[in-house]
Amino acid sequence: GDSVTQMEGPVTLSEEAFLTINCTYTATGYPSLFWYVQYPGEGLQLLLKATKADDKGSNKGFEATYRKETTSFHLEKGSVQVSDSAVYFCALSGGSGGYQKVTFGIGTKLQVIP
Amino acid sequence: GAGVSQSPSNKVTEKGKDVELRCDPISGHTALYWYRQSLGQGLEFLIYFQGNSAPDKSGLPSDRFSAERTGGSVSTLTIQRTQQEDSAVYLCASSLPSTNSPLHFGNGTRLTVT
Repeated sequence: GDSVTQMEGPVTLSEEAFLTINCTYTATGYPSLFWYVQYPGEGLQLLLKATKADDKGSNKGFEATYRKETTSFHLEKGSVQVSDSAVYFCALSGGSGGYQKVTFGIGTKLQVIP
Repeated sequence: GAGVSQSPSNKVTEKGKDVELRCDPISGHTALYWYRQSLGQGLEFLIYFQGNSAPDKSGLPSDRFSAERTGGSVSTLTIQRTQQEDSAVYLCASSLPSTNSPLHFGNGTRLTVT
């Protein structure tokens, strides 16, 4: 079945540091890939997505590129802010046979300190 | 605009009692998902609906768990004879019927079994 593996946190960075959160996936077919974010005390919301190989999703300074050859979708941001502190989830949809089940990674907690 | 609504937001129940959790998805969203999030854990898939049918119930942990959806809209997740290990946040999400469409999450129901 489909699976998503992402680095375990917590990740602690100083403000303005460079961020990478690794995500790799296993799926048949051609899944769509997503990053969701859960800010403290809030619900999960979409951060960005990419629907085919070599697509780059971007939002709020975050980027991730759909790499089919390495089955990866790493999340990056050039300069993090305290307000980026949250839990980040990598997810895929439509892997096995195009079925719309969405599979999530375990989540990576990011803490940005001033 | 109306998002995904879940009720109750908090539920404390005694071991052995039955509970019902409700989800009201975004209008027009035919896909509906239930996930469970335990402390420090990722998102555990429970069940997926497309319209009123559930093509994938594989995530339901035991036969104490059941879910239904009526009129292609509201869904109810029922847990019978609750156990302490059922304590978690139960999340509902809805989306349009496409693997490219992101999930829209409710704020969850925090279930505590004493």
